[in-house]
Amino acid sequence: EAGVAQSPRYKIIEKRQSVAFWCNPISGHATLYWYQQILGQGPKLLIQFQNNGVVDDSQLPKDRFSAERLKGVDSTLKIQPAKLEDSAVYLCASSSIRMRAGNTIYFGEGSWLTVV
Amino acid sequence: SQQGEEDPQALSIQEGENATMNCSYKTSINNLQWYRQNSGRGLVHLILIRSNEREKHSGRLRVTLDTSKKSSSLLITASRAADTASYFCAILDNYGQNFVFGPGTRLSVLP
Repeated sequence: EAGVAQSPRYKIIEKRQSVAFWCNPISGHATLYWYQQILGQGPKLLIQFQNNGVVDDSQLPKDRFSAERLKGVDSTLKIQPAKLEDSAVYLCASSSIRMRAGNTIYFGEGSWLTVV
Repeated sequence: SQQGEEDPQALSIQEGENATMNCSYKTSINNLQWYRQNSGRGLVHLILIRSNEREKHSGRLRVTLDTSKKSSSLLITASRAADTASYFCAILDNYGQNFVFGPGTRLSVLP
């Protein structure tokens, strides 16, 4: 079974530029998550989708971050304009159903962003 | 905050020794999960323990949960250099809505 795929793995951009990350979840997984992980910290949830609807985006900085999940499969996370503090790893994850039932979340390898 | 807090922040042991990491939290939970993250990689699920369970085993891993103390511990027995990684606990709250990670414990196993 293929895992969660993410691209690009690494990206370096200048501040105020834009960047987009792509995620393809495990086949059949309805729930998709984007996490931000700053070096030395635990992952922080940015947005959670159930199929193509947003379940939780309370911690997404909506003035600069946007995410979509068209057709309930792939997802993209965009940052525009980027700030220095956006330097982090952006982790995409998926699960078969929402966490209430105790299912585990499967993570991709992450997209490493450096803003200079 | 529902966030779990791991303790210690960093741990260094010799190969063959046991490693114990703790996670404390503040409110009622549905379940608690432990994840491992090798340097530069994504997170890998290790074990899930539900609020009505007290102990679970998986290979060299043993997880305990004490809901009265709002704490969990992860024990890795007979550690190996390959166990070197960061370990995170993640809390699913009782509403099943929020899944929050702690800051992690960085484990170094020296050969």
